[in-house]
Amino acid sequence: AQSVTQLGSHVSVSEGALVLLRCNYSSSVPPYLFWYVQYPNQGLQLLLKYTSAATLVKGINGFEAEFKKSETSFHLTKPSAHMSDAAEYFCAVSDRGAGGTSYGKLTFGQGTILTVHP
Amino acid sequence: DSGVTQTPKHLITATGQRVTLRCSPRSGDLSVYWYQQSLDQGLQFLIQYYNGEERAKGNILERFSAQQFPDLHSELNLSSLELGDSALYFCASSVGGTYTDTQYFGPGTRLTVL
Repeated sequence: AQSVTQLGSHVSVSEGALVLLRCNYSSSVPPYLFWYVQYPNQGLQLLLKYTSAATLVKGINGFEAEFKKSETSFHLTKPSAHMSDAAEYFCAVSDRGAGGTSYGKLTFGQGTILTVHP
Repeated sequence: DSGVTQTPKHLITATGQRVTLRCSPRSGDLSVYWYQQSLDQGLQFLIQYYNGEERAKGNILERFSAQQFPDLHSELNLSSLELGDSALYFCASSVGGTYTDTQYFGPGTRLTVL
């Protein structure tokens, strides 16, 4: 079974500082990986998606993530934090299914709440 | 705005009752997914439909059921509600319903069971 671990349920940074949110996955097959962001009282918005085309994936709002197979990691980074980045971030892996089936179940990590201080 | 709509936005009900949550997917998307978000369990996959047929099932209780209609909208029915069913319920949609798809999420329905 696939799983996702997000290290650190809360991360706090100063405005302008580097943002690093950690995600490690477990998958028996090459994974499709996602980062979603959830602002208070809103749904999940896709930040970026890894599809094996490139190990460094650029997303919206200046975020990017690097897929490292040897470390089974897909950490999310942003060079300079902005106050508007304060939200909860979720890493997710897509399940290929067994026996030739293909479905789109997402397995999510527990989430990381990002706080940005002025 | 993802293009996925969910109604109602909030629902307050009592234990033992039954409720129906509704989801309309993005135009052109054939697959609908339901997820539950709670403080203790996090975000959990419940069930997936593709073009009216059930495709995958996750940690969905027997008291819960869902269906996808010919116009592709979906409903999640929750019955014999318990306090622990209080959660945020998300619907998502994607084009083909496969593991390579991007899922687009609706704003959610917040269910409170008193």
